[in-house]
Amino acid sequence: GENVEQHPSTLSVQEGDSAVIKCTYSDSASNYFPWYKQELGKGPQLIIDIRSNVGEKKDQRIAVTLNKTAKHFSLHITETQPEDSAVYFCAASKVGSQGNLIFGKGTKLSVKP
Amino acid sequence: KAGVTQTPRYLIKTRGQQVTLSCSPISGHRSVSWYQQTPGQGLQFLFEYFSETQRNKGNFPGRFSGRQFSNSRSEMNVSTLELGDSALYLCASSIGTTGELFFGEGSRLTVL
Repeated sequence: GENVEQHPSTLSVQEGDSAVIKCTYSDSASNYFPWYKQELGKGPQLIIDIRSNVGEKKDQRIAVTLNKTAKHFSLHITETQPEDSAVYFCAASKVGSQGNLIFGKGTKLSVKP
Repeated sequence: KAGVTQTPRYLIKTRGQQVTLSCSPISGHRSVSWYQQTPGQGLQFLFEYFSETQRNKGNFPGRFSGRQFSNSRSEMNVSTLELGDSALYLCASSIGTTGELFFGEGSRLTVL
């Protein structure tokens, strides 16, 4: 079955710096890759997603890149702000089975003012 | 528009008991998925329902079961609770099987 590895597990940056989180997946049939942000005491919230027919997607300060050949995808956050501090999860699934997500173990991002 | 609602938010049970957790999806959403979140294992998929039918099931023992009703509300049940079942149980809904997943805030289960 699918396995998703995520690193780093913790990441500390200064406000205004960029943050990069990387994930690899094992199942070449996976074609949907969402990223979730989870704040303390809340459920995960989708922040951006990408499908395998696209190599890069951007939404304001957040971007995701996908390398299908290498089976890895990355989250890039630019101009980080203290409110970006949270746990970020990557996930993988197949389109049409997006209720069945395989998650990475998460990255705790701390943005220091 | 109301989000995904999970009840109860917190509960404490003892080993051997059973528990039922409830999930009300966003209005109009027909797909409901359940996940278990623990510090050690992270987020793990339990099951997915669409129009009252289980579409997928994760790698959990038969003590974990679920169902979906005609109004799309869903319940999951864990029987013969074990200490290792202590976790945050998250429900997520989507319009169909290809839409964005919206998570609730979860039900935190503690097994003593």
